[in-house]
Amino acid sequence: GQQLNQSPQSMFIQEGEDVSMNCTSSSIFNTWLWYKQDPGEGPVLLIALYKAGELTSNGRLTAQFGITRKDSFLNISASIPSDVGIYFCAGQPGNMLTFGGGTRLMVKP
Amino acid sequence: DGGITQSPKYLFRKEGQNVTLSCEQNLNHDAMYWYRQDPGQGLRLIYYSQIVNDFQKGDIAEGYSVSREKKESFPLTVTSAQKNPTAFYLCASSTTRGGGYGYTFGSGTRLTVV
Repeated sequence: GQQLNQSPQSMFIQEGEDVSMNCTSSSIFNTWLWYKQDPGEGPVLLIALYKAGELTSNGRLTAQFGITRKDSFLNISASIPSDVGIYFCAGQPGNMLTFGGGTRLMVKP
Repeated sequence: DGGITQSPKYLFRKEGQNVTLSCEQNLNHDAMYWYRQDPGQGLRLIYYSQIVNDFQKGDIAEGYSVSREKKESFPLTVTSAQKNPTAFYLCASSTTRGGGYGYTFGSGTRLTVV
């Protein structure tokens, strides 16, 4: 099925830095979701967005539902080591989700 | 607590053998899904089921089979026809009543062919 275009594919973070990632689609979605996957585990829901233009925070995480309903952004402020993992966006036009390819956050050596 | 349980966490299979991965949920969700994840890659849909006794192929169904005899259970069999079965397998479930609640995922099964 269709995958969303998620970028960047990977990035290195240094503790304290802010991080941004985004997802774009050629289709309109009714819901945007952001998941985080820790190594060797299943993805866990971080934030759900239900309305165009909506801005929602969960601690140091902030996500936005794009006005066109074809994109979404996730920002992480003041990153910490436990932020490493893979972040997936997902769009939900109906019952099923379409996933982005993931953004892998790694710690700078 | 409600949740979704995958077992075993790690599974080793000899070439030419079939192996079944278990997925059980007590969330009263109607829909269940199987995904495959290769190292550094995203999620690829294998099979999904939106109601008991019915299921549909996803993007990479070849070499896999499923059954949905009970609402709570959606086992995945990796057959000998799957040429490259070593991967991380994720099961998920969801309501079909809308509301944008997304999926609840299990903690995964890592399958290795030896």
